[in-house]
Formats: sequence, C-alpha cells, structure tokens
Amino acid sequence: GEDVEQSLFLSVREGDSSVINCTYTDSSSTYLYWYKQEPGAGLQLLTYIFSNMDMKQDQRLTVLLNKKDKHLSLRIADTQTGDSAIYFCAETGADRGSTLGRLYFGRGTQLTVWP
Amino acid sequence: GAVVSQHPSRVICKSGTSVKIECRSLDFQATTMFWYRQFPKQSLMLMATSNEGSKATYEQGVEKDKFLINHASLTLSTLTVTSAHPEDSSFYICSAKIRDRGQYEQYFGPGTRLTVT
Repeated sequence: GEDVEQSLFLSVREGDSSVINCTYTDSSSTYLYWYKQEPGAGLQLLTYIFSNMDMKQDQRLTVLLNKKDKHLSLRIADTQTGDSAIYFCAETGADRGSTLGRLYFGRGTQLTVWP
Repeated sequence: GAVVSQHPSRVICKSGTSVKIECRSLDFQATTMFWYRQFPKQSLMLMATSNEGSKATYEQGVEKDKFLINHASLTLSTLTVTSAHPEDSSFYICSAKIRDRGQYEQYFGPGTRLTVT
C-alpha cells in the first residue's frame, strides 16, 4: 500500500493561502520533502524539514511537521497563479534494502490557483 | 541548487526499437542516481538505483533486461529501454543524490517523455 498519502486536488483564489497536507507512515524518516512539478517538467525541490523540527519557514513557504500524527503540511502564503502545479510530499524512510537514500512519494496534489 | 539534465526531452519511437535516455549532473559529481517512471496523474515509481562503477539495483517488478542502466561516470547515467512497446510509453525522470552540508538531497532532471508507436 501507499506509504505517503496526499489529497489529490486543491483550488484557491489568487492572494489566498494554500495548505497542502500529507500523511506518512514511516516514523523513522529522517527528512521530509516538498517538491513542485509543473506540466511536462521534472521535480523542483521546494523545501524540506528535518524530523526533529516542528516548523520551517522559507519566504512564502511554511512547513509544519507533527511527528506524533505523522502529518506534514505545506502552506503557501499569498498564492499566485504561477504556483499552480502538482506538489509532491516525499519521505526518506528507513534504509529499506539496498536503496539507501531513496525517496517515497505521495501521488501529488494538483494545486489550481484562480485569478 | 544543483542542475541535472536529461536528453532527449521527448522521443517517439517505433515498437521493437531501443531508446537511450541520458541523465547528467552538470555541476557536481553524483555517485548515485535514481531512475523513476511516472504515469499520468500518478506518483513517481522508483525503477532502479544507479551506482557509479557497479551494477544498478532494480526495484521489484522492474525487468533488468528491458531497462538497462549504465552509470559509467560520476556525471552520467543512461537508461536504455530495449525492444520498446507501447506500454513502455511514459515520463521517465532521473535524479542525482548529493551530500550537501551533511545531508543528502536529490535533484531531479526535467524528464523524458517516451512515446512508443
């Protein structure tokens, strides 16, 4: 089954805040990441949070981590139309087998920003 | 951040032919690269881990003889889809793992859209 789960769609108006949520199952994950994917493009690393942190802010982006509930969220302040994309949550997980450093991805949340 | 390129960005080939996709780290050396496959509106599925100078490690269910991976240098990994069929049509993305200030990060290439007719 899925290790990382996200809601598939989110629509917001330009200027509002967007909150994208993610739940994960592996409590031993060291890092949790947020990636952005624009149509037809690869993934762009947006931000990450170390597992011993509760919050990290980077300009318009705020990441909140609740380790007890294994819940991660990404808040985008003052959302712009250019923020429309798919956002992937990913965890590092424990060293499963021989693939040290692999990432486990959610299915992605399609964020649509309306003008 | 670090830059990873892929070539070609888009390829259309006939069924039964082989296609090679290149993944390059442009401004750093990567001992480990990953190859992912992404279906429309789906997450990324890890296909294999490519380690420079050694054989790739494939995920369960991925055919080694069909998806040949070569990581001949610290800046280049290639994925060859052999005897491609329409069901191999997909978006293939590579990533390179680097250690930056004590932690590992993965930087992704822009992806290659493969269409097999």
